[in-house]
Formats: sequence, structure tokens, C-alpha cells
Amino acid sequence: QKEVEQDPGPLSVPEGAIVSLNCTYSNSAFQYFMWYRQYSRKGPELLMYTYSSGNKEDGRFTAQVDKSSKYISLFIRDSQPSDSATYLCAMNEWSSNTGKLIFGQGTTLQVKP
Amino acid sequence: DSGVTQTPKHLITATGQRVTLRCSPRSGDLSVYWYQQSLDQGLQFLIQYYNGEERAKGNILERFSAQQFPDLHSELNLSSLELGDSALYFCASSGGGLHRNTGELFFGEGSRLTVL
Repeated sequence: QKEVEQDPGPLSVPEGAIVSLNCTYSNSAFQYFMWYRQYSRKGPELLMYTYSSGNKEDGRFTAQVDKSSKYISLFIRDSQPSDSATYLCAMNEWSSNTGKLIFGQGTTLQVKP
Repeated sequence: DSGVTQTPKHLITATGQRVTLRCSPRSGDLSVYWYQQSLDQGLQFLIQYYNGEERAKGNILERFSAQQFPDLHSELNLSSLELGDSALYFCASSGGGLHRNTGELFFGEGSRLTVL
């Protein structure tokens, strides 16, 4: 079993839809939770990060972490064609003292005009 | 532009050969990470260097090795290449590594390796 599980999709939605992306994990030591976005032929770039449980909002994006369920989510409101990309969840252990991230497999999202 | 530079962008080689991928981190970043991205495995952590020293190791094959030089650039060496080594290899950098890192890694655009 992988440490981080993410449905690879693909996920196709119409413009303006609300998108929900999710990851589950098994390592209870994970403390930092991130979402990266990767456009085709590009490297991943950080979209949002949260520490421990809770919600964080940034414009049309909301990240949620539920440590009790080992489940994290990213919501995209009013989705736009420019949001079409692969979204990767990533996690980091607080105590590992390194910056290494464990990534989910990524969910490919297509937003159709 | 993340500020992380990787060369070459594309590389085609034959089985059994050896290649070297190069990475220049963002100015001032001390940590360099190497990741392998394939369709079936996703983004897999290979190895991290901090200021010239190995800091963390993932599922890196024995045929692969890396190092970070005094000017902080890094090289990933892949030898005795197999078809299954075909993948995108990403380098990332961050400022920290010894201390808590908020998780922001800055990725280069990757080196696409094709082994025929």
C-alpha cells in the first residue's frame, strides 16, 4: 500500500463547476500537507499548504485537512479552463528534519469551456 | 520561472548506457532534491542533498547516484540503464532542509529520459 493514495482521474468538468480533489494517507507522522499544480511539460508548483488539521482558503481554492481520518481535500470554486492541470497532494513529516515530500499520484483535471 | 535549471531537457539513449542529469538550484537554496516521475508510479522521491551532504534517501536504485558540488549544483548519474528507467527526472530546491520546511519545493522543468 502506498503512503499517499490519490485517484489519478482523469476528471472532466464544465467551466464554473466546483471541483473536489482528495487524498488519503497512512502515515500519522505527516504534519504538513500541500497541493501542487503541474501543467503539461512543466514542473510542479506549490498551490497551497496547511499545517496539521483545519481549513485554508486562498481565492477560489480551499484546502482541508482531517488528520483523524487521514484525509485531505482541495476544492476549486468557479473552475476555469486555465485550471486544467494535474493536481498533486504532498505531505511532509514534522520530525523528519528534511524537506522531502511524499506525493500522491496526481489527479488530472480538465475544465471544459 | 522557478529559478531551478535542469539540463538536458530531453535525452534518448540505449539500454546499458550511462547518463548524467544536471541541476542548478535557485540562488541561495542549499537543499537539492531529485524526483522521478513515471505514469505508473507518480512522483517518487529519490534523494536529497543539503549543502553538499546527503540528507535523505528514498527508493533510489543502486545503479543511480547523485552528488552536490561546492557551488551547490547537483548531478544525478544513472547507469546500466534499463527500459523501465524511462521517466521524467525532476530536480527541486529549497532554502532549508536541516530545519522545518513548510513544504515549498521549487521544481525545475525536468529532464525527460527515454531508454530504447
